[in-house]
Amino acid sequence: EIVMTQSPATLSVSPGERATLSCRASQSVSSNLAWYQQKPGQAPRLLIYGASTRATGIPARFSGSGSGTEFTLTISSLQSEDFAIYYCQQYHNWPPWTFGQGTKVEIK
Amino acid sequence: EVQLVESGGGLVKPGGSLRLSCAASGITFSNYFMKWVRQAPGKGLEWVSAISSSGNYIHYADSVKGRFTISRDNANNSLSLQMNSLRAEDTAVYYCARDGGSGWDYWGQGTLVTVSS
Repeated sequence: EIVMTQSPATLSVSPGERATLSCRASQSVSSNLAWYQQKPGQAPRLLIYGASTRATGIPARFSGSGSGTEFTLTISSLQSEDFAIYYCQQYHNWPPWTFGQGTKVEIK
Repeated sequence: EVQLVESGGGLVKPGGSLRLSCAASGITFSNYFMKWVRQAPGKGLEWVSAISSSGNYIHYADSVKGRFTISRDNANNSLSLQMNSLRAEDTAVYYCARDGGSGWDYWGQGTLVTVSS
């Protein structure tokens, strides 16, 4: 099973600032990595797939990078609606499909 | 508009059973792998089960293997999860999700399953 580890657990950022979230895989997942955003009481929403491709309707301030075992989600200028929990997920070796434990982006 | 709508959650005693359903609309349901994902209160996301477009390939997380059964009815655009021998640790919001091939692009709103005496 591929273990996904996200850091930090919580990120405190001021609106308008840049946020950088990390995700590490226990073995290579190539570029088969997705990022999801989840707000309280809502279902997850797909942000990024293929490590760097934005899903339909996702603003350009969200960008993903990396391959192999190290990945980054960057939010270039945080808006109020971006404060949420972010999960990475690998779909390279399955089953199981595995998620990171999440990074909470909170208002500083 | 794509919609996935789960139903069937509720309160059940340990050892009991529950059947969840997911009704799909606005998508060509029969073309896609479908997933069940759960989220325990205050916790992260956990994949539970998956079924291929035809229903020929089925996978389960070790935590539910032998207790849960996934199925689909492509004629009626529906996905199901039969949950037996429920345990307290199965308490969670259960989501169905479409596997678009590169990420899971559509999710239902979730249905809460509470296992408690």
